[in-house]
Amino acid sequence: NAGVTQTPKFRVLKTGQSMTLLCAQDMNHEYMYWYRQDPGMGLRLIHYSVGEGTTAKGEVPDGYNVSRLKKQNFLLGLESAAPSQTSVYFCASSYSIEAFFGQGTRLTVV
Amino acid sequence: GQQVMQIPQYQHVQEGEDFTTYCNSSTTLSNIQWYKQRPGGHPVFLIQLVKSGEVKKQKRLTFQFGEAKKNSSLHITATQTTDVGTYFCARKTNFGNEKLTFGTGTRLTIIP
Repeated sequence: NAGVTQTPKFRVLKTGQSMTLLCAQDMNHEYMYWYRQDPGMGLRLIHYSVGEGTTAKGEVPDGYNVSRLKKQNFLLGLESAAPSQTSVYFCASSYSIEAFFGQGTRLTVV
Repeated sequence: GQQVMQIPQYQHVQEGEDFTTYCNSSTTLSNIQWYKQRPGGHPVFLIQLVKSGEVKKQKRLTFQFGEAKKNSSLHITATQTTDVGTYFCARKTNFGNEKLTFGTGTRLTIIP
């Protein structure tokens, strides 16, 4: 099993460009999460999903959109990237207790 | 903002010394989880506590959940270089919501 896979691993965007981060899990987990990690800020929840076709806002949802059309995939979209969105993004999935994380995507917006 | 506060933000200890990180909430928690993130890595689940006053041990790591279920601690005895990393506490709401939010983390560095 691959677990939780994030693509891409690195990306540099210009301000105003759009992109989609893909998270895929092969563990049949219901719950999926997107976080951003910035120095001194810990892991902040952007959006999450409790099942296929459902999404909910987290602590810092502005500037991001998500979709969960298939149970195994959770997409995070940036419609118009801003330098403030430079961060490391982590996806996680969970069945009941433990959350499993992907390897992260390092995004730089210039 | 963060509902769960974690202190200290950084901790530098000599190898062999003990280390403790604390997690505090203004509201009662249904559970508390702990994760470890090695430098350059991703968070990895360590444990979950659910009962008031609960204490669990994993080798040199001791986890506690406060009697009022508003605070928790992670204590490492006799630190080793392999303990380096950032330790996060996290709370998970239940009953269909399943929202998982993290504290700000404590970054532990070991002086050999």
